[in-house]
Amino acid sequence: QTVVTQEPSFSVSPGGTVTLTCGLSSGSVSTSYYPSWYQQPPGQAPRTLIYTTNTRSSGVPDRFSGSILGNKAALTITGAQADDESDYYCVLYMGSGILVFGGGTKLTVL
Amino acid sequence: QVQLQESGPGLVKTSETLSLTCTVSGGSISSYYWSWIRQPPGQGLEWIGYMYYTGSTNYNPSLKSRVTMSVDTSKNQFSLKLNSVTAADTAVYFCARAQSPKRFDYWGQGALVTVSS
Repeated sequence: QTVVTQEPSFSVSPGGTVTLTCGLSSGSVSTSYYPSWYQQPPGQAPRTLIYTTNTRSSGVPDRFSGSILGNKAALTITGAQADDESDYYCVLYMGSGILVFGGGTKLTVL
Repeated sequence: QVQLQESGPGLVKTSETLSLTCTVSGGSISSYYWSWIRQPPGQGLEWIGYMYYTGSTNYNPSLKSRVTMSVDTSKNQFSLKLNSVTAADTAVYFCARAQSPKRFDYWGQGALVTVSS
C-alpha cells in the first residue's frame, strides 16, 4: 500500500520562508495526483489552502503557494507569521476516487 | 457562506453502530460531493469516503466493509454509519464538501465520538 509522506515537524522564524513537502513511499508525485493542502490550527478544524497543485482557495493569502518540486508536491509559506503555527496536511488523489492524507507536518514558528 | 455541522451521539458502545449527520446550511447539497474524514486523538487525518448528491459513493478500502453513507436532499443533510466499532474508531469526525472527488473546500467543526464498552 502506498504511503503519503510528510516531514513530521518543521520550524521557521517569523518572517522566514519554509517549504513543506508531500511525497510517496513508492514513486513520484505529479500534477496527476491533484495534490491539495490543508491547514489545521491547534484544536480547530482543517482549512483548505491549496488545491490542484497550486490553486489557492478563496481567501488564502498569496504567502501560501503550491508547486511540484522534484518528485514531491510542495507547500511554500513566505513571510511566516505566528498564526501560521499549525499542522499541515497534504492529500493526494490515487485514482478510482480514492484520496489519501499524508501524516501531517507540525509547523512551529519561533 | 456555506456551513457544515456534524451531530450525533458522542458515545457509542463497542461492536455497535456509529451514526453521524452533517447538516449543510447556506447552500444546496445538490451538485457537490460530500465527505467524511476522521482524526483519532493526537493523530492525523484519515479519509473515510464520499458521496455524490445523487447517492453514488466511494469509500476508503480499509473501512469499506463497515461504512455506509447516505444523503437526504430534502433536509440538506448527509449521514455516516460505521458498524462494528471498536476503540480504534474513537476520533473527531469531520464532514466536508468537495467540488470534485479530488479535494475538499468547506469543513465542519468536527464531532468527537468515543467508543467504549
